Amino acid sequence: DIQMTQSPSSLSASVGDRVTITCRASQSISTYLNWYQQKPGKTPKLLIYAVSSLQSGVPSRFSGSGSGTDFTLTISSLQPEDFATYYCQQSYSTPPTFGQGTKVEIK
Amino acid sequence: EVQLVESGGGLVQPGGSLRLSCAASGFTFSSNWMHWVRQAPGKGLVWVSRIKSDGSSTSYADSVKGRFTISRDNAKNTLYLQMNSLRAEDTAVYYCARDLGGSYKVDGFDIWGQGTMVTVAS
Repeated sequence: DIQMTQSPSSLSASVGDRVTITCRASQSISTYLNWYQQKPGKTPKLLIYAVSSLQSGVPSRFSGSGSGTDFTLTISSLQPEDFATYYCQQSYSTPPTFGQGTKVEIK
Repeated sequence: EVQLVESGGGLVQPGGSLRLSCAASGFTFSSNWMHWVRQAPGKGLVWVSRIKSDGSSTSYADSVKGRFTISRDNAKNTLYLQMNSLRAEDTAVYYCARDLGGSYKVDGFDIWGQGTMVTVAS
């Protein structure tokens, strides 16, 4: 199975900050990388697919980049509604696997 | 409105069985690959199983292979997960999710249900 490792596991940030979350795959996954947001007690929500394609309705302050084994999710200006846990997920091979999550908390 | 609604969760003893259902609406269910993903309390997301739009192809995580069976009834717009020989480690919220590729398998998940809790304990 492909292991996905996110860093950091948690971070504290203020409204308006630029936030970057990193995801590393244990082997090359080309551009088969998706990002999800999950708020406490809520369902996961697809933010970005295929590394950098924004899902419909997702604000443009979210962006993704990378290829191969190293990927990043960037929030250009953190908003109050962005405090949540973020997961990367590879769709390159079966089984699809997720990172352990990065919790973004209020500073 | 595109919607997935799970049901069937509950408390079951180790070794017991449970069948989860996921009712789909607002899209052409029969055209989409579908998945089950679970999340143990306080833990991350783990893919469980997938099924092709016509039900002809299925896949499972190693941890559930031989114990869980995914199926679908396209006439009823419903996805199922039959869970047998349940273990404590199967305790989780179970989500059904639509593949974002539609009839083309992408293994990304664009629509999620609200989840149903399965607790395996004596």
